[in-house]
Amino acid sequence: DTAVSQTPKYLVTQMGNDKSIKCEQNLGHDTMYWYKQDSKKFLKIMFSYNNKELIINETVPNRFSPKSPDKAHLNLHINSLELGDSAVYFCATTERRNSPLHFGNGTRLTVT
Amino acid sequence: QKEVEQNSGPLSVPEGAIASLNCTYSDRGSQSFFWYRQYSGKSPELIMFIYSNGDKEDGRFTAQLNKASQYVSLLIRDSQPSDSATYLCAVTLPLSGTYKYIFGTGTRLKVLA
Repeated sequence: DTAVSQTPKYLVTQMGNDKSIKCEQNLGHDTMYWYKQDSKKFLKIMFSYNNKELIINETVPNRFSPKSPDKAHLNLHINSLELGDSAVYFCATTERRNSPLHFGNGTRLTVT
Repeated sequence: QKEVEQNSGPLSVPEGAIASLNCTYSDRGSQSFFWYRQYSGKSPELIMFIYSNGDKEDGRFTAQLNKASQYVSLLIRDSQPSDSATYLCAVTLPLSGTYKYIFGTGTRLKVLA
């Protein structure tokens, strides 16, 4: 069983479209994150949820809207996609605060 | 100044040598320190974590933390070609009752057979 799974693995879409990425974890962790990794490998935090509550919201365009329907799921919806949104998006979880992050396999988003 | 800085490399070492990867951080409030390895096209995987000053060893890997100088390093002994990857340093910062995980840009390591 994959501990942190993301769907889809690849997403190719055109500018202006709206798309969603889903993340599910079976680790029982309370905290989940979305990170964006650009072409230079820099991992930048976007959002963090603790037990369905938004606790970190970095300076991210409001076209990005996270949603946590329950403790095991964290989704990311992106409106009006732009070329600069092309990146790999990683979901991650932690067992408790300050413990290591467990990453999903990533979603490679390509906006054309 | 970036919050977490790493030399982007590539750092090239011959097989069997010791690879030394360094990371500096700017905020003295940083609490925990992690090293992740990331192969091309894959997700980051945890190598080591360290919370207090000193050395921590796990197999061929040793993490070293010096909070006074604000650096953390990773030593890889007996480097193997399979160690060739990008190594990401991460630190946690307390933020409004939780912790924010901040990453460096990574150091690309090449182990030459």
